[in-house]
Amino acid sequence: EIVLTQSPATLSLSPGERATLSCRASQSVSSYLAWYQQKPGQAPRLLIYDASNRATGIPARFSGSGSGTDFTLTISSLEPEDFAVYYCQQRSNWPTWTFGQGTKVEIK
Amino acid sequence: QVTLRESGPALVKPTQTLTLTCTFSGFSLNTSGMCVSWIRQPPGKALEWLALIDWDDDKNYNTSLKTRLTISKDTSKNQVVLTMTNMDPVDTATYYCARISSSGYYYFDYWGQGTLVTVSS
Repeated sequence: EIVLTQSPATLSLSPGERATLSCRASQSVSSYLAWYQQKPGQAPRLLIYDASNRATGIPARFSGSGSGTDFTLTISSLEPEDFAVYYCQQRSNWPTWTFGQGTKVEIK
Repeated sequence: QVTLRESGPALVKPTQTLTLTCTFSGFSLNTSGMCVSWIRQPPGKALEWLALIDWDDDKNYNTSLKTRLTISKDTSKNQVVLTMTNMDPVDTATYYCARISSSGYYYFDYWGQGTLVTVSS
């Protein structure tokens, strides 16, 4: 099983600041990695697919990068609605999927 | 408009079997490349993929839960059913169904709102 490790567990930032979230895979997942945003009481929402492509309707302040085992989600300037938990997920070893343990972006 | 909705019991007793239904609209599970999956999330914890069924009726399961899970579909009703046997308090979680499709690049592009299942005697 491919294990995804996200860091940090919690990121405390102010609105307007830049957020950088990391996801590391236990083995190469090529570019088959997605990022999801989850707000309290809501289902996750797909933000980024295939490491660097924004899903439909996702603002340009969200960007993804990386390949192989190291990936980054960057939020260029945090808006109030961006404070949430973010998960990475791989689909490299279809048809099984794994998620990271999440990074919480909280208001400082 | 794609929607998914989970339904099932909110409370089950230990050792019982859980049956959850995902009712969807806006797409067909007869369409090549279309899949529906179940994912769960214990309170305050991370997401865990459970099972998937595809347009061709192929089924795949989380290896650690495989012996307890069964996924099936009824395309005439636009429903996917998940059963999980021998429920335990550690299975307390919000259970989501989600779509995977070629148009979503084979990621979970649409999700239901989730249903909280509590396992307690």
